[in-house]
Amino acid sequence: QSALTQPASVSGSPGQSITISCTGTSSDVGGYNYVSWYQQHPGKAPRLMIYDVRNRPSGVSNRFSGSKSGNTASLTISGLQADDEADYYCNSYTSSSTLVVFGTGTKVTVL
Amino acid sequence: EVQLVESGGGLVQPGRSLRLSCAASGFKFDDYAMHWVRQAPGKGLEWVSGITWNSDNTGYADSVKGRFTISRDNAKNSLYLQMNSLRVEDTALYYCAKDIEWELLDPDFDHWGQGTLVTVSS
Repeated sequence: QSALTQPASVSGSPGQSITISCTGTSSDVGGYNYVSWYQQHPGKAPRLMIYDVRNRPSGVSNRFSGSKSGNTASLTISGLQADDEADYYCNSYTSSSTLVVFGTGTKVTVL
Repeated sequence: EVQLVESGGGLVQPGRSLRLSCAASGFKFDDYAMHWVRQAPGKGLEWVSGITWNSDNTGYADSVKGRFTISRDNAKNSLYLQMNSLRVEDTALYYCAKDIEWELLDPDFDHWGQGTLVTVSS
């Protein structure tokens, strides 16, 4: 089972919106609404930002939103802030022998 | 407050074994599935293994299948990972993570520990 494909890096200026894609197959992203997104600052544990494609856990800013079309899920960060600079990972349930697959990760830079 | 504290990491030679533990507190441990996720130095996240609330179902990444065994003791609020036949490529920070569900179908990890470092080297 290969990792889900994410762009290596995405950047934006403060206040702008950016979108991170997460591309899989019909066996994972496309087949189930079980995509989640995680934010990881350097040296810290990951933090759940979005689950089940578009749901936000309590305490997560509504500037973060998720969506899915076909085999590609997306995380959009609106009103970009300095603290949003971090690595972001998607993950999904997969019907392959490995139950869970993560994305390759995207480094978000706030210019 | 939910707390997950991993322990048991260290330096080990290739081919040897290690057992990781995760002590959980601040939530009803036996209501949730639990997972191990690892991150090699400078690399991305890799799911390692998961276990349902009552241990009746487990899952493993292909890279560790047959070598690692996940288990839990709900009476002790603890999660474990027995790692055998360790390889250099198993070197990573190993995180314990709590699921928001009791089963493995919908993997969403809402709380993470700080990790325990496993280094496999001769």
